[in-house]
Amino acid sequence: ETGVTQSPTHLIKTRGQQVTLRCSSQSGHNTVSWYQQALGQGPQFIFQYYREEENGRGNFPPRFSGLQFPNYSSELNVNALELDDSALYLCASSLIPFRETQYFGPGTRLLVL
Amino acid sequence: KQEVTQIPAALSVPEGENLVLNCSFTDSAIYNLQWFRQDPGKGLTSLLLIQSSQREQTSGRLNASLDKSSGRSTLYIAASQPGDSATYLCAVSGAGSYQLTFGKGTKLSVIP
Repeated sequence: ETGVTQSPTHLIKTRGQQVTLRCSSQSGHNTVSWYQQALGQGPQFIFQYYREEENGRGNFPPRFSGLQFPNYSSELNVNALELDDSALYLCASSLIPFRETQYFGPGTRLLVL
Repeated sequence: KQEVTQIPAALSVPEGENLVLNCSFTDSAIYNLQWFRQDPGKGLTSLLLIQSSQREQTSGRLNASLDKSSGRSTLYIAASQPGDSATYLCAVSGAGSYQLTFGKGTKLSVIP
């Protein structure tokens, strides 16, 4: 059984650029959630995908978008990057949305200059 | 809007001491509560999950309790070890909601 993996581990972008982050969910899990964690803060929920459909969204603007693929891997896309987007981006997978333990990946550290 | 608060923000204890971390939440209509551990710059590791119908869960030296009516949970760590040093996060899943709401965490340092 493989765990949740994310790529890349680190990324540096400039303001205004676009970025794509990737997540492979744990084997057998059909739900992926994305979180943003700023330094010294708890993770903030961005959105969740269940069986390739967006299943819920937190308080993030539309320039944060996502996809889930038939193999349940997922992408987070952020357009028009802002300095405040600098954070650790975490993805988590589970078998049932928010009904059981979520398994987190190691995260992608994004720095926007 | 659900808000989760963790007290204290930081805690330093000598090795071997028993300790308690606190978590409170404003909306008692939760589905479950989870405790996570986060090492610096890393992802989250799930420690314990308590369903809203449960009062406590135990795993090894860890025991988590839940008092849903008062909006409180505690994580008890017995016989602390330097390897327990990390940030501990509590998160609640709201009934009928897809959001997992986190506190800011308690940074624990166990001194050898």
